[in-house]
Amino acid sequence: DTEVTQTPKHLVMGMTNKKSLKCEQHMGHRAMYWYKQKAKKPPELMFVYSYEKLSINESVPSRFSPECPNSSLLNLHLHALQPEDSALYLCASSQGGASSYNEQFFGPGTRLTVL
Amino acid sequence: AQSVTQLDSQVPVFEEAPVELRCNYSSSVSVYLFWYVQYPNQGLQLLLKYLSGSTLVKGINGFEAEFNKSQTSFHLRKPSVHISDTAEYFCAVSEARRGYQKVTFGTGTKLQVIP
Repeated sequence: DTEVTQTPKHLVMGMTNKKSLKCEQHMGHRAMYWYKQKAKKPPELMFVYSYEKLSINESVPSRFSPECPNSSLLNLHLHALQPEDSALYLCASSQGGASSYNEQFFGPGTRLTVL
Repeated sequence: AQSVTQLDSQVPVFEEAPVELRCNYSSSVSVYLFWYVQYPNQGLQLLLKYLSGSTLVKGINGFEAEFNKSQTSFHLRKPSVHISDTAEYFCAVSEARRGYQKVTFGTGTKLQVIP
């Protein structure tokens, strides 16, 4: 199984809502990533978890809160978002460990619209 | 810091014609280079990768790329494109960190195949 799954595929929320994005992989990968992608732009790294510990937070506003409950799951909790947060949110995973290279596998993304 | 530059934001090409998408990189250490493809409303799919060894890398869907150290380039080529190749293509460079990969994407090239 070389698949990263993301739910939901689409999400529309108001600025006062609380919602969560979910990501799951069963490849035994120990590194998981959240990216944000605006239209016609490359993905921008938001967070990296390595062995269930937060390794990178790229100065993301606190209205985005990541969580890694176990090595297969990655959540992104959303609260009090702004319309400019509307984007495609991509999850990815890689093997982790100390080797020099590990490929990242991407999920299909969640299309988020904030009204 | 590592970076990649994609000079062409859009490349229109007629069906069955050859195409080259350009990518130049900047790195002071060992380089791991990738090409990803993104179809509309989907996640990223790895086309091919250069880690070491042969400078000509073959990927999926008939694509290939050549690593040129003297010109710091990693251009993507296909001898004959199909309508289904219409997509966004991202060149990327990866840097191994402890337990994860730090991937930096280029700004993307939209390949538009004209029937």
